[in-house]
This record gives sequence, C-alpha cells and structure tokens, in this order.
Amino acid sequence: EAGVVQSPRYKIIEKKQPVAFWCNPISGHNTLYWYLQNLGQGPELLIRYENEEAVDDSQLPKDRFSAERLKGVDSTLKIQPAELGDSAVYLCASSPWGRNTIYFGEGSWLTVV
Amino acid sequence: AQRVTQPEKLLSVFKGAPVELKCNYSYSGSPELFWYVQYSRQRLQLLLRHISRESIKGFTADLNKGETSFHLKKPFAQEEDSAMYYCALLGTDKLIFGTGTRLQVFP
Repeated sequence: EAGVVQSPRYKIIEKKQPVAFWCNPISGHNTLYWYLQNLGQGPELLIRYENEEAVDDSQLPKDRFSAERLKGVDSTLKIQPAELGDSAVYLCASSPWGRNTIYFGEGSWLTVV
Repeated sequence: AQRVTQPEKLLSVFKGAPVELKCNYSYSGSPELFWYVQYSRQRLQLLLRHISRESIKGFTADLNKGETSFHLKKPFAQEEDSAMYYCALLGTDKLIFGTGTRLQVFP
C-alpha cells in the first residue's frame, strides 16, 4: 500500500505568488487532515475533513489559505498570496473512521523567498 | 486548555544507556495519548499508543494520570533509535502534538 501521497515534496516560490499542495489519502480513509509544521515545532492542525465536509477549519487562515476535498478522496491546499512566514512543512494525514490512528504523508516543504 | 509539553528539545545518550523522553499533558477528560517518531528523511509514524499497552522496538510508555505524564522509556538505547519523537494527545476531535524531542544515540 502506498500510504498517504503528497506532492510536490519541495517547492520554492517568491512571496506573493500562489502555491498548491495535493494529497491522496490511504484508500478507504474517510478522514483527511492538513497539518502545518514550523521549524522546531510539532504539527498543528489546519483543517480536518470527514469525507468531503470540512468539520474543523478553525485554525486555517482563511484570508490566504483555502482547501478542498470535492469528491471526498484527494485534497488540495492552496495559499494565495504566499508570505515569508508561510515557509514550513505542510503535512497531509488520513485515518479510518474512528480517528484513533493517523497516518501521515511525507510532507510538502515550502520555502517562500 | 488542551496541551502537550515536551520539556527537552534534545536528549543525547550513548548506546546501551537507558532513555526516558518526557511528556506531560493538560486535558480535562480521559486522555488518549500517543508517541510518534520521525526518522531522518522519513514520514512521521505512530510508535505506540497508551490504550494498546504495547512495547514497540523496546519502547514503552505508561500513562500516569496523577502526574499527567506519558513518558517514553527504553532500557537500552540503540543507534537506530536516533530520531525526533513527538508526544500527542487526542483532544476534542484533533490530535495535539508537543514540540518534539530529538534523541541522539552515540556509538
């Protein structure tokens, strides 16, 4: 099994440019998460989906961040426009119904210059 | 408040020495706690969870509700244990992570 797949693995963009990250969860996992991990910190939840519904997006900065999971499978996280402080690792994760075990992707490393 | 505290950023030991990675939590309900590990250039992965009461790769962790702690222990560290370790709490519908402890095991 492939696990949670994320792309791109690495992205370098100039500030004010847009960027998008894609995630394909483990097959059959209803719950999908996007986490933000700043250098030296633990992951922090940005948004959680149950199927196609965003059930917790309280930590998502909605002025510049958006996410979608239109068919309840893969998901996209977008930042527009990017700021220098957005440089971080964006982790996607998924879990089966019940959420006790969460499986992470390898992350998308963003550098904003 | 729901919070996980890992007081040590770095823990360095020699091979064969005992290891204890500290984790304290703040949670008003009945906590569900986990340890995640991230080896160099690999994804974050679950190491163990307290409800399973299992030993994985020689590591154990016991939930102490009185001290609100969930310390990770291993009696004899191996070089391959070198990694980042994150303690996590399943709070109200989300997993809350500590800031992590880097374990370095020297030969």
